[in-house]
Amino acid sequence: NAGVTQTPKFQVLKTGQSMTLQCAQDMNHEYMSWYRQDPGMGLRLIHYSVGAGITDQGEVPNGYNVSRSTTEDFPLRLLSAAPSQTSVYFCASREQGYGNQPQHFGDGTRLSIL
Amino acid sequence: AQKVTQAQTEISVVEKEDVTLDCVYETRDTTYYLFWYKQPPSGELVFLIRRNSFDEQNEISGRYSWNFQKSTSSFNFTITASQVVDSAVYFCALSEAFSNSNSGYALNFGKGTSLLVTP
Repeated sequence: NAGVTQTPKFQVLKTGQSMTLQCAQDMNHEYMSWYRQDPGMGLRLIHYSVGAGITDQGEVPNGYNVSRSTTEDFPLRLLSAAPSQTSVYFCASREQGYGNQPQHFGDGTRLSIL
Repeated sequence: AQKVTQAQTEISVVEKEDVTLDCVYETRDTTYYLFWYKQPPSGELVFLIRRNSFDEQNEISGRYSWNFQKSTSSFNFTITASQVVDSAVYFCALSEAFSNSNSGYALNFGKGTSLLVTP
C-alpha cells in the first residue's frame, strides 16, 4: 500500500539552483496536485492535473513548472530556487469527480533555499 | 477572500478535557464538500472525515464528533476526553462543486488549528 510517494524527504538548495520534486501514486488516480505549506498559511495549491497530458495553475504557480506524462507521476520543478520557496511541499491525488473524494497526501518534502 | 476560517490558531488542553475546533466556511455553491485533516508532529496529512452539503447529519467516530450546520456555515470538530496522541494541527477544507471547477475542484484549506494536549 504505497499510496502517494514523494522524494526526496529533505533537500537544501542554494539560490538559483534548479531541482525536481518527485511524486508518484499507485492508485490509478486521475487527479493530482501540489501544495505548499508555510507557517500560519495552511496549504496553498501550486499546480494540479486532471489527467495525463493536462495540467493547470493553482493559487501560487510562479516559479514552478509541472508536467504529467503518465497517470502515475507528477513531478514539480523549481526553475531557479529562491528563499521564498523555502517550504514544505505536499503532493496529493484523488479519484476524479466533483471534489467529493478525499485527497490522499504524500509525506511531504521539506525544502530549504539558502 | 478566505473561504475557510479557523479562528483558533492554537489550543492547549489537559488530557481528558473535551475540546472543540471551529471551522467556518464561505461559499455560494449549493453543492460542496467539507473535510477535516489531521497533521501530527511527524508531518503527514491524515484524512479524517468528509461531509456533503446536502447531508447535515452529525457524525460520531469514537472520541471524535463533527457538527455540521449549514445555517451558520460551520463544520466544527469535537474531541471528547482528549489524549496526548491527539496533539496535532487540524485543518478544515472546502471543495466547491461549481465555483472551483476551473481548479479541478481543488481543496481550499483553512490555516489550521494547533492542538496541544498535555498530560
